[in-house]
Amino acid sequence: AQSVTQPDIHITVSEGASLELRCNYSYGATPYLFWYVQSPGQGLQLLLKYFSGDTLVQGIKGFEAEFKRSQSSFNLRKPSVHWSDAAEYFCAESSGTYKYIFGTGTRLKVLA
Amino acid sequence: DTAVSQTPKYLVTQMGNDKSIKCEQNLGHDTMYWYKQDSKKFLKIMFSYNNKELIINETVPNRFSPKSPDKAHLNLHINSLELGDSAVYFCASSQDYRGSQYFGPGTRLLVL
Repeated sequence: AQSVTQPDIHITVSEGASLELRCNYSYGATPYLFWYVQSPGQGLQLLLKYFSGDTLVQGIKGFEAEFKRSQSSFNLRKPSVHWSDAAEYFCAESSGTYKYIFGTGTRLKVLA
Repeated sequence: DTAVSQTPKYLVTQMGNDKSIKCEQNLGHDTMYWYKQDSKKFLKIMFSYNNKELIINETVPNRFSPKSPDKAHLNLHINSLELGDSAVYFCASSQDYRGSQYFGPGTRLLVL
């Protein structure tokens, strides 16, 4: 069965530090991959997506992610974290069947 | 302009009651979804609809009945509410099976 793994439940970084959130997917063929962010009490907002082509994708709010087929990974990065980035981050994949699988999320805490 | 809206935002009810949640999207998308997010933030797809047709039903109890009167609306009716139904329910839409999903703000359901 398809699955998306986010190994880190919580991550704490200092403001201004770099960030990497890990995501591994299981779908064998090329999946459609997404990163979403959820602020407290809010819905999910799309940060970026990968369908095909360039394996490094740029998103909103200064985020980027790199698709690595050999590692089945789609890690999210940001060079310098801002206090407003504190939120829950979800990685998701779609195999093209109207079914999206979400990871369990990573809660990001930013220290001033 | 709200892209995906849900009503109500909060719902507190007694066990055994029947309740409905409404969802509307003004993005012109063909596909709509219902998700359940539990207290641990785990997000699980419940239903997918494409052009008013049910595509995905993820082993949801038949107490949950979605209805799509048109492509812009997807409502969720829940019969005989149970304590375990307490969660946040998100509606989402996308252009097609691989498109980026746009989420509503969520409906926080508490069953007492």
